[in-house]
Amino acid sequence: DTGVSQDPRHKITKRGQNVTFRCDPISEHNRLYWYRQTLGQGPEFLTYFQNEAQLEKSRLLSDRFSAERPKGSFSTLEIQRTEQGDSAMYLCASSLLLGSGAGELFFGEGSRLTVL
Amino acid sequence: RKEVEQDPGPFNVPEGATVAFNCTYSNSASQSFFWYRQDCRKEPKLLMSVYSSGNEDGRFTAQLNRASQYISLLIRDSKLSDSATYLCVANTGGFKTIFGAGTRLFVKA
Repeated sequence: DTGVSQDPRHKITKRGQNVTFRCDPISEHNRLYWYRQTLGQGPEFLTYFQNEAQLEKSRLLSDRFSAERPKGSFSTLEIQRTEQGDSAMYLCASSLLLGSGAGELFFGEGSRLTVL
Repeated sequence: RKEVEQDPGPFNVPEGATVAFNCTYSNSASQSFFWYRQDCRKEPKLLMSVYSSGNEDGRFTAQLNRASQYISLLIRDSKLSDSATYLCVANTGGFKTIFGAGTRLFVKA
């Protein structure tokens, strides 16, 4: 399978615990995005990487959230001291840079987080 | 105000109907526009890009009005398989890709 893969697909945790999600983008894609989606809403932009550089971070991302993309390949999204409001689907997407324009985003199936 | 706003829906239409979705964006610097489709419990997938001159792909037609900051999607001859959530998307120069909340479409037999 050469699509975007995310792991784990489902995570149930207790409030206050830390969780980490992993995303493996399509191999030749240099852009990687993290979004969060709750029921009845569209994906909310969280952060963006071009290669290994984190170029944009949404104001939605509190200090408890951190994302990395070492070596410009896979990415991790860590949430520290989880809160019930963090319960959502966390979507990763990748795309190929086409000049200054936007390429098609290819999404993974998402990691669903439930905080009890 | 949200950067991308869509009709709240849901839209309930019979097979064969024509349905139109509207979307507005607030950032005049937005450069690229798209419609994505999201099936229930699935990830979003690109339906079509939206060009200034308007573009058509089979039963789907997308229009962009930069002066009004307005985007539309028209679906003709609706099929049961068109039932999904349609997400309007604006890109503000390279990386910041913003999704609307989506409009749910139910096509009934």
